[in-house]
Amino acid sequence: DQQVKQNSPSLSVQEGRISILNCDYTNSMFDYFLWYKKYPAEGPTFLISISSIKDKNEDGRFTVFLNKSAKHLSLHIVPSQPGDSAVYFCAARGAVGGGKLIFGQGTELSVKP
Amino acid sequence: DGGITQSPKYLFRKEGQNVTLSCEQNLNHDAMYWYRQDPGQGLRLIYYSQIVNDFQKGDIAEGYSVSREKKESFPLTVTSAQKNPTAFYLCASAKGDGRLYGGYTFGSGTRLTVV
Repeated sequence: DQQVKQNSPSLSVQEGRISILNCDYTNSMFDYFLWYKKYPAEGPTFLISISSIKDKNEDGRFTVFLNKSAKHLSLHIVPSQPGDSAVYFCAARGAVGGGKLIFGQGTELSVKP
Repeated sequence: DGGITQSPKYLFRKEGQNVTLSCEQNLNHDAMYWYRQDPGQGLRLIYYSQIVNDFQKGDIAEGYSVSREKKESFPLTVTSAQKNPTAFYLCASAKGDGRLYGGYTFGSGTRLTVV
C-alpha cells in the first residue's frame, strides 16, 4: 500500500517557466512533509519542508503548498533552470514511528534551455 | 567536514554470497536508516536505528541484516536470502528521533549488482 504517491514519473518544462510537482498521501497522521532532489548515482539532498500546521512554505525559487483536506502537496519552482533537472522525491513523516520517512516514487524533472 | 560516507560506491556480488555495505557518519546523529532504490519504486525502507544497539525492521527487511554497535556506524548485510538484491542502496542519518526539522542527510549510495 503506497502511502505517498507521485503519479507523474516525469515532467518537462521550458527554462524560465514554472515547474509544478505533485504528491498525494493517504495517511492523515503525517505531520511533516519534505521534498528531496536527487541526481543520478548520488544521494538525495534536502530541498524544502512544511509542517502540517502550515499551508505554504517558501525558500527562494522553491515553494511548497500543502492542502490537508485533499491530502495533497505540491512543489513549485519559479523560474525553472536547467540545473533543476533531477528526480524529485516527496516524503512524509508520521507523528509516531521514530521519525522514519515514507517516500514517493519520484518525478524526473527535465528543464529545457 | 561533517557528513555521511557510504562504501564502496560499486559492489558486485555472486549468487549465494553475503555482502556488507558500509555507512559511517560524523554528524553526531542518533538515527540512521537504510533505503533501497529501484526504478519506478522510489525509496523503500529496509532497516532503521534510533540508538546504539537497537534497530527496527522497515518495509522490506527480508534478506537483510544490520548492526548498530557504534553511533557512527550502521552497516547493512545483504544475505543470500535476498532474492533480488541488485539495486541502489542509500544510507541516511538524522538528529534525535527525526522530529527535529531538517530531514535526513543521505550518503552518496552504493550500487550493488549480482553477477
